[in-house]
Amino acid sequence: GQQVMQIPQYQHVQEGEDFTTYCNSSTTLSNIQWYKQRPGGHPVFLIQLVKSGEVKKQKRLTFQFGEAKKNSSLHITATQTTDVGTYFCAGRGGSNYKLTFGKGTLLTVNP
Amino acid sequence: SAVISQKPSRDICQRGTSLTIQCQVDSQVTMMFWYRQQPGQSLTLIATANQGSEATYESGFVIDKFPISRPNLTFSTLTVSNMSPEDSSIYLCSVGELQDTQYFGPGTRLTVL
Repeated sequence: GQQVMQIPQYQHVQEGEDFTTYCNSSTTLSNIQWYKQRPGGHPVFLIQLVKSGEVKKQKRLTFQFGEAKKNSSLHITATQTTDVGTYFCAGRGGSNYKLTFGKGTLLTVNP
Repeated sequence: SAVISQKPSRDICQRGTSLTIQCQVDSQVTMMFWYRQQPGQSLTLIATANQGSEATYESGFVIDKFPISRPNLTFSTLTVSNMSPEDSSIYLCSVGELQDTQYFGPGTRLTVL
């Protein structure tokens, strides 16, 4: 079945440093979604990428979808303590309506 | 985006008992899902709740253990039956349309003693 690998598992940065998490799918995806889960919270939707090579920005966050639609990344510029949490990617394959989640990247930020 | 509520928000239960979790959405949605998130882990899909018919379960999850109801397009329940400590997890309801965004409820934090 479809697998979505996400790295790194953990990332600790100093406030102001950049951060990137990567997702790789075993199969071509129809779309990919990114979520943020704060400690003790629930996954909150950030963005959905659909098109090959798509790049979307939300303030300091940049999301990319690979040309082959098998990988994606989330980059945060100049991290802040409010960025702390676990970032999950979740991919959909073909006509499948179900999401397959990566294991997530836990980001901690040292002030 | 849909507003999703879950009840209870948390519970502590004894081994061998059952707990029913409710999920209510403020608008009609096509798809409703139930996920489990064990401590420090990712999200695992338990089943898709189908309106008016039996839920579709993922590998490793069975109806006898996790019976699901979906009487209409805005409400669903998940029961965790005959609980054991291994069932201690966060249970999350999620809603969305077929190829579109999925939104998550606040979750139910379950501890089984």
